[in-house]
Amino acid sequence: NAGVTQTPKFQVLKTGQSMTLQCAQDMNHNSMYWYRQDPGMGLRLIYYSASEGTTDKGEVPNGYNVSRLNKREFSLRLESAAPSQTSVYFCASSEAPGSTDTQYFGPGTRLTVL
Amino acid sequence: ILNVEQSPQSLHVQEGDSTNFTCSFPSSNFYALHWYRWETAKSPEALFVMTLNGDEKKKGRISATLNTKEGYSYLYIKGSQPEDSATYLCAFSGATNKLIFGTGTLLAVQP
Repeated sequence: NAGVTQTPKFQVLKTGQSMTLQCAQDMNHNSMYWYRQDPGMGLRLIYYSASEGTTDKGEVPNGYNVSRLNKREFSLRLESAAPSQTSVYFCASSEAPGSTDTQYFGPGTRLTVL
Repeated sequence: ILNVEQSPQSLHVQEGDSTNFTCSFPSSNFYALHWYRWETAKSPEALFVMTLNGDEKKKGRISATLNTKEGYSYLYIKGSQPEDSATYLCAFSGATNKLIFGTGTLLAVQP
C-alpha cells in the first residue's frame, strides 16, 4: 500500500497563476483533508471532505477550492496564487471523520509563489 | 479561537537521557487528544489517540498521559536515542471533530 500520495512534491508559481495539487489514498478511507504548514504555526486545516460527495471549509479556506473526485482522490486548487500561499501543503485521510480517527498524512507539496 | 500550546518549543538532550514535553488544550468540549511524530522530510505519523481522563498510552520507550480536567497531556521518552530526533505534535479534537494542532516540540538527541 502506498498510503497517501501527493503530486507534485515541489512547485514554483508566479503571482496570479493557477494550479491543482493532487492527493490520492489507497486505504479505502472515507474522509480526506488538506492542511498547510507555515513556520511557527501548527498545521492548519484548509478544507476537508468527511465522505465522498461532501466538502467543507476548514480554518483557512480563502483562496482555495477543492474537489472530492471519488473516494480515493481529493484535489486542492489555487485559482490565482498569491505570495501568502507559499507554504507546505499536506493531504491526510482517515477512516471516518470522527475525533478519535487517526489521520494518515502524505509526504507534502512545497509550494513557492513569487 | 481554540488554542493548543506545546512546550518547550525545542529540546536538546544527550543519548540516554529521559525527557518529557507538554501539550495544553481547552478543557471544555474535549473529545480526543492525538500525538504525532514528525521526522524531517517525512510526513507526520500517529503515535497515540487518547480520549479518557487519566488515560496512559505506551509504545516502546514513548508514553503519554492525559488530564482532560485541567487540559494537558505529557509525552515521555525514556532513554532517548538519536532516532527519536523529530518534532512531536499534539492535536486536540473537540465537538467539531476537526483536529487543532499545536506548533510542536522539536527534539534533538545528540549521540
